[in-house]
Amino acid sequence: DAKTTQPPSMDCAEGRAANLPCNHSTISGNEYVYWYRQIHSQGPQYIIHGLKNNETNEMASLIITEDRKSSTLILPHATLRDTAVYYCIVRVDNNDMRFGAGTRLTVKP
Amino acid sequence: NAGVTQTPKFQVLKTGQSMTLQCAQDMNHNSMYWYRQDPGMGLRLIYYSASEGTTDKGEVPNGYNVSRLNKREFSLRLESAAPSQTSVYFCASSERGREKLFFGSGTQLSVL
Repeated sequence: DAKTTQPPSMDCAEGRAANLPCNHSTISGNEYVYWYRQIHSQGPQYIIHGLKNNETNEMASLIITEDRKSSTLILPHATLRDTAVYYCIVRVDNNDMRFGAGTRLTVKP
Repeated sequence: NAGVTQTPKFQVLKTGQSMTLQCAQDMNHNSMYWYRQDPGMGLRLIYYSASEGTTDKGEVPNGYNVSRLNKREFSLRLESAAPSQTSVYFCASSERGREKLFFGSGTQLSVL
């Protein structure tokens, strides 16, 4: 399975865009990039996923580089409620999902 | 809809005791999963069930057993609890193996 590298922590000002990077240089052709987040001690929450095209939904945008070796999750207008740990996961299907340490995003007023 | 429901929310066991963590989903999902999360760590997959009647080991299955009782329910059993099993346990489900996961709120287990 491809491994991912994320910064351990990031800060963002409320109302600004939060850009969370993820490196996955060993990704293979059939592996998807998934993003989940975990707010405090709750169960993780799905955000978005993609294979090679950029994706957008009501929560966020996912930008995947052309070589697919890295991606960026964008929260367009971060709020205090977006403070959470964000996990970037590369996998073929759920049966081999690996959550790493993620990025702890702190949104500040 | 309740989504994924886990019981109990908290449990304290003594070393050697046994217990079963219950998980039920009402979304008619085919696949169900059990994860554990140790303090400051990411989640690790214990067991999963890709469909009713099947179960498979994940990354950290030792010391656990599972039962996919029916399509709705997937239980996790600790036969002889050990302090190393102190953790937060999350159950999750998905429609199929590549669809997004829905997680329960977790069970905080302490083994003394």
